[in-house]
Amino acid sequence: DSGVTQTPKHLITATGQRVTLRCSPRSGDLSVYWYQQSLDQGLQFLIQYYNGEERAKGNILERFSAQQFPDLHSELNLSSLELGDSALYFCASSPNSGLAGHTGELFFGEGSRLTVL
Amino acid sequence: SQQGEEDPQALSIQEGENATMNCSYKTSINNLQWYRQNSGRGLVHLILIRSNEREKHSGRLRVTLDTSKKSSSLLITASRAADTASYFCATGDNYGQNFVFGPGTRLSVLP
Repeated sequence: DSGVTQTPKHLITATGQRVTLRCSPRSGDLSVYWYQQSLDQGLQFLIQYYNGEERAKGNILERFSAQQFPDLHSELNLSSLELGDSALYFCASSPNSGLAGHTGELFFGEGSRLTVL
Repeated sequence: SQQGEEDPQALSIQEGENATMNCSYKTSINNLQWYRQNSGRGLVHLILIRSNEREKHSGRLRVTLDTSKKSSSLLITASRAADTASYFCATGDNYGQNFVFGPGTRLSVLP
């Protein structure tokens, strides 16, 4: 058990809909990372938050947004869903800021599997 | 864009054999990490090697880092069927930008 909790574990929805994925990081970890993993795209970095502020941004679509709350949990919002958004979405946490490359070990949740029909 | 690229994409070996996976990256790094993922599960951290280190061991794992060639290798010795998984290298560049993973190597260890 990594200590990172993601909900829901599975989600099935229709195209055009909006979903919210939730992540609770390990106790004390200030950084939260979001990744999308699909069969044909591998593990794609979406976004990182550190202590409530956006730290780094990767290949995150404009239809997607995220935030980290004062209690350090994070939510990833996916809107106007398309078939291609079907994937495993992982959250990972770390005590490190990621600043100047000082990224230590990431602790991953078990993921939220999103299926868009 | 991906920072790390693993090679080979897939590897199949017999139990007891050694497995070697390679990773190449593009920019200067602070450290390089290897992760393991069992099918459909979350990634698990295996080992971290810093840019000023050349080799590191952890149990049956041996990682090397060659910063001049921007490459790293992961060696799993005396492999077991339970080592069957995907293995990823991951790096963050020195500018504190994205922490990205390569496409991974799928390792199959046959009993």
